[in-house]
Order: sequence, then structure tokens, then C-alpha cells
Amino acid sequence: EAGVAQSPRYKIIEKRQSVAFWCNPISGHATLYWYQQILGQGPKLLIQFQNNGVVDDSQLPKDRFSAERLKGVDSTLKIQPAKLEDSAVYLCASSPPGQGHLVETQYFGPGTRLLVL
Amino acid sequence: GQNIDQPTEMTATEGAIVQINCTYQTSGFNGLFWYQQHAGEAPTFLSYNVLDGLEEKGRFSSFLSRSKGYSYLLLKELQMKDSASYLCAVLSNDYKLSFGAGTTVTVRA
Repeated sequence: EAGVAQSPRYKIIEKRQSVAFWCNPISGHATLYWYQQILGQGPKLLIQFQNNGVVDDSQLPKDRFSAERLKGVDSTLKIQPAKLEDSAVYLCASSPPGQGHLVETQYFGPGTRLLVL
Repeated sequence: GQNIDQPTEMTATEGAIVQINCTYQTSGFNGLFWYQQHAGEAPTFLSYNVLDGLEEKGRFSSFLSRSKGYSYLLLKELQMKDSASYLCAVLSNDYKLSFGAGTTVTVRA
């Protein structure tokens, strides 16, 4: 089974520039998550999609971050304009539909490492 | 909200046992996960506990006490490849996962 795919793996930009990240979840996984992981910290949820609808974007800085999952499969996360503090690893994860009492396990992609100069 | 605490670093020798503690305060609880994250890689699932007690999976075991808001991950017969960050994460009632900052384990020969 193919895992969660993300691209690019690395990106270096200057502050105030724009950047976009792409994620393709595991086939059949209805739920998709974007996390931000700053060096030395655990991942922080930015946005959660269920199919093509947003379930939770309460921690997404909406003045500069946006995300979409138009067809309910792959997703893009955009930062415009970027700030120095956006330097982090951006992780995409997906999970299958819940099965009764079973709790979904999130499967993470390799992440995109962003450096803002 | 969630407040999750775990030690920043631990060091142990090859073949030894290490116990990583995690304490949490949460407004809703639907289980606790442990993930392993090697440097520069994505987190990978290790264990899930929702009931009190010990879950054993090979060299790794995870324990949960819901009344105490406490969990630990036990790594036995440490190997060099176990050097990684170990993340404690709590699942809330609305299925949101909140992570601790992670514990970096260094295994020495």
C-alpha cells in the first residue's frame, strides 16, 4: 500500500514570498490533516478535512495560510506571504473512515521542510 | 484544551531499558498514542491505549492510567536504531490529536 505522498520535500524562500505544498493521502482515506512542526516541538494541527469539507481550522492563521481539498483526495496548503516564524516541517497525515469503536490511526507523510530567510 | 508533558531528553546504553513518562491534562479523552520519529522523518505509529493497563508489543510496551492522567512508553533491549524522538499524543473526544513536544532518546553503545 502506498503511503502519504508530499512534495516538495524541501523549500527555501525569502520572507514575504509565497509557497505551496501538496499532499496525496493514502487511497480511501477520507480524513486529511495538515500539521506544522517547529524544531523541537510536537506537530500542531493546522487544518483537518473530511472528504472535501473542513472539519477544523481553528489553529490555521487564516490571514496568511490557506488550504483546499477540492475533489476530496489530494490537498494543497499555501502560505502567502511567508514570515520567518513559518520555518518548520509541514506534515500531512491521513486516516481511514472509522469502524465502529475503532479509532483511526493517522498515517504521516515525509513532510515538507520549509526555511524562510 | 490539552496540556501534555514529557521529558525533553533521555540517554541509555544498548541493551538497557528506558521508560518515557507522559502526563496530560485534557478536557476530553478518547485515547493516547505514542509515535516514534527519527530525525528528518515522519512520525510512525507505535501504540494506542484507551483503557487502563499495559499493552505489550514486542520490545515496546505502553501503559495508561486515566485517573492519574499518566502514560509511559517502555523500550526494552534497546538497539541503536531506537535513537529517535518519541511523541506522546492525546486524542480528544472530537478526535483531534494533540502532541507533546517529544522525548529525544539517545542510545549509546
